Amino acid sequence: GAVVSQHPSWVICKSGTSVKIECRSLDFQATTMFWYRQFPKQSLMLMATSNEGSKATYEQGVEKDKFLINHASLTLSTLTVTSAHPEDSSFYICSADRGGSGELFFGEGSRLTVL
Amino acid sequence: AQTVTQSQPEMSVQEAETVTLSCTYDTSESDYYLFWYKQPPSRQMILVIRQEAYKQQNATENRFSVNFQKAAKSFSLKISDSQLGDAAMYFCAYRSAMNFNKFYFGSGTKLNVKP
Repeated sequence: GAVVSQHPSWVICKSGTSVKIECRSLDFQATTMFWYRQFPKQSLMLMATSNEGSKATYEQGVEKDKFLINHASLTLSTLTVTSAHPEDSSFYICSADRGGSGELFFGEGSRLTVL
Repeated sequence: AQTVTQSQPEMSVQEAETVTLSCTYDTSESDYYLFWYKQPPSRQMILVIRQEAYKQQNATENRFSVNFQKAAKSFSLKISDSQLGDAAMYFCAYRSAMNFNKFYFGSGTKLNVKP
């Protein structure tokens, strides 16, 4: 299969702190990783894409200084929410592209609650 | 820009019956991929079915099939013999074959399955 693991699945933090979410492709090398944000009962909003060793490409309206994405290796991408505020509370989902089939494989998602 | 539209926020189907979920998309590209993903309460996105735009034949995966109308930019999902486990959010998605970093979702359709 193609397994993508995301960690942590749930995180609560205080306002002003930074939170890091990891996304790993466990059994394949990901050519590209995608980060999405999902509000309750809404769709997935593409935040950015990242390729190993390159700077992430952010969608319009997404603050790159707020949402730092690092793609350290072909199996690991991280999203750091810096100086988190309550409005950053959301469900964050990563996905990975194995290449070839066009489909993305998704992690389990991470729920961020900022107090 | 590509947009994906799902006009049915919620639908219900009786167990063992057939239901069709609608999806339309807007693009000026000729080559792309279309997907239906399922998001159960666990929130993990699961691929249901995929279609390459250059293929005229509609994709089929067991009880799931699509009606792909390229000229009309329509991509509906038919679920036959609905089962209780089919209850979930269903998202239609578009991926550009020209720019693989563009992977967009529709707003989703919540499917209820009645026993």
